[in-house]
Amino acid sequence: EPEVTQTPSHQVTQMGQEVILRCVPISNHLYFYWYRQILGQKVEFLVSFYNNEISEKSEIFDDQFSVERPDGSNFTLKIRSTKLEDSAMYFCASSVVRDPEVAFFGQGTRLTVV
Amino acid sequence: ILNVEQSPQSLHVQEGDSTNFTCSFPSSNFYALHWYRWETAKSPEALFVMTLNGDEKKKGRISATLNTKEGYSYLYIKGSQPEDSATYLCAHTGGGNKLTFGTGTQLKVEL
Repeated sequence: EPEVTQTPSHQVTQMGQEVILRCVPISNHLYFYWYRQILGQKVEFLVSFYNNEISEKSEIFDDQFSVERPDGSNFTLKIRSTKLEDSAMYFCASSVVRDPEVAFFGQGTRLTVV
Repeated sequence: ILNVEQSPQSLHVQEGDSTNFTCSFPSSNFYALHWYRWETAKSPEALFVMTLNGDEKKKGRISATLNTKEGYSYLYIKGSQPEDSATYLCAHTGGGNKLTFGTGTQLKVEL
């Protein structure tokens, strides 16, 4: 069964460093998303991406964050200068078409900023 | 600001029990309601997407109902099994691509 895959599963980084979280969405999907869950809190929307551009973003998604689909298969989330409060589980998701179509989620990358 | 709430926060039931959880959401600006099942160390798995008031969906022993006028959805599990142990998340959308999640209900089914 097709699935969304994310790498790495766990990343530890020093505060101020740049990190890139990688995702391979399901191949025929057109909409891509990043969400995150800080420990003990709700899963929060970060950004949606369609047709090589951001279609919607949350207040969390500030200038420190960027997304890219560099090669037609990978979908990446870059955090330029990580802060302690960026520590969270980051989920990638994809869907064939926009809502209310089901979004398929990856297993997540746990980012720990020290 | 949209606020999606779920109750209870956690639930322990015995194998064979039937159970249900609630998701409440703002009834204005409603487009769709999603239910996900999330086991530890796995991907959240989509269970249902519902859009119409009065929608009822079923998948095996799990079913869900939707009331958009009063802003709630129920998820029912009939004859709970240990493998049903997971966190059940609901998420609301208002027409964009953004899912607004509730806090989840953590279900533990004991033998």
